[in-house]
Amino acid sequence: GQQLNQSPQSMFIQEGEDVSMNCTSSSIFNTWLWYKQDPGEGPVLLIALYKAGELTSNGRLTAQFGITRKDSFLNISASIPSDVGIYFCAGHTSYGKLTFGQGTILTVHP
Amino acid sequence: DTGVSQNPRHKITKRGQNVTFRCDPISEHNRLYWYRQTLGQGPEFLTYFQNEAQLEKSRLLSDRFSAERPKGSFSTLEIQRTEQGDSAMYLCASSPPGGTEAFFGQGTRLTVV
Repeated sequence: GQQLNQSPQSMFIQEGEDVSMNCTSSSIFNTWLWYKQDPGEGPVLLIALYKAGELTSNGRLTAQFGITRKDSFLNISASIPSDVGIYFCAGHTSYGKLTFGQGTILTVHP
Repeated sequence: DTGVSQNPRHKITKRGQNVTFRCDPISEHNRLYWYRQTLGQGPEFLTYFQNEAQLEKSRLLSDRFSAERPKGSFSTLEIQRTEQGDSAMYLCASSPPGGTEAFFGQGTRLTVV
């Protein structure tokens, strides 16, 4: 089945630093989504990408849909303490379901 | 609050008991999904409805699991004869017609003791 490989698994950074994480797949996806999840809560949608090569920003977040449609990255600029959480990439095919990566745990030290 | 709503937020049950969870999607969203998430993992797809039709079921959804969406609005997920391995966060999400974004509820945390 489809699998998403998300890296890194965890990151420990200082407040103010930039962060980059990525996701690769063995399969092509039509849409890439990035979510953030806080402990005990459901994932919250951050950015959605719909076309190969697309670069989209949402405040301090920037994400890109890879040209091959098999990868995506998420950048967070000037991190702040509330950026702490688990970030998931997810790929969507025409069948409706999302396939998720394993998550990147982000810790921001003040 | 117009987001996806899940009830209950937490459920503790004894092994062998049946449990039922409810999900109310965002109004006008015709697609509804159930996912399961265990500690340290991303959500795993369980099943998917478009309106009242259940279009896809994962192999993760054993015979003890059943989901319904009788009127194309809210959905229920029932687990019969619960096992300790069923302990997880059960997440519901919905998508608008023609949209690929999925919006998640807060989840139901199930603990089987």
